[in-house]
Amino acid sequence: EPEVTQTPSHQVTQMGQEVILRCVPISNHLYFYWYRQILGQKVEFLVSFYNNEISEKSEIFDDQFSVERPDGSNFTLKIRSTKLEDSAMYFCASSEEFPRGYTFGSGTRLTVV
Amino acid sequence: KQEVTQIPAALSVPEGENLVLNCSFTDSAIYNLQWFRQDPGKGLTSLLLIQSSQREQTSGRLNASLDKSSGRSTLYIAASQPGDSATYLCAATDRGSTLGRLYFGRGTQLTVWP
Repeated sequence: EPEVTQTPSHQVTQMGQEVILRCVPISNHLYFYWYRQILGQKVEFLVSFYNNEISEKSEIFDDQFSVERPDGSNFTLKIRSTKLEDSAMYFCASSEEFPRGYTFGSGTRLTVV
Repeated sequence: KQEVTQIPAALSVPEGENLVLNCSFTDSAIYNLQWFRQDPGKGLTSLLLIQSSQREQTSGRLNASLDKSSGRSTLYIAASQPGDSATYLCAATDRGSTLGRLYFGRGTQLTVWP
């Protein structure tokens, strides 16, 4: 069964550093998303992306965050100047068609120290 | 803004029991509702997707129902097994969202003991 692949599975970074989280969505999917889950809290929406542009973003997704689809396969989330409160599990998801269900990746655990 | 609530927060049952997990949402104007399973420290595995025009979906021992008018969904697990132990998340989209942003509940943490 096709999968959404996320790398790395775990990343530790120092406060103030920039990180890039990578995702390879399912190949025929057109809609891409990032979510995050702070330990013990709900999964929260960050951003949706379609046709090479952001479709919707949450109040969490401020100027510190950016997304990019640099080529035909990767979808990245960049976090500039990381803060301790950015520590969370970050999930990438994709969907073939709207409104269809999502397929989520296994996540990247980001730890900011 | 869509709010999703799940009860109970935790459930511990002996193997073989039939279970009902509950999910409620505040805005009935949804595109769909999706149930996920999350194992500790892992990703989200989709279990069932119910479109807004549907009343229920079934997959193996799982059955999910949707009642938009009351803002409720239930996940029924038949003949539970220890391997079913995980957190079950309910997520709803709403029609106010451009691309079907999901709103998640906090989940029900299920433990099935032998």
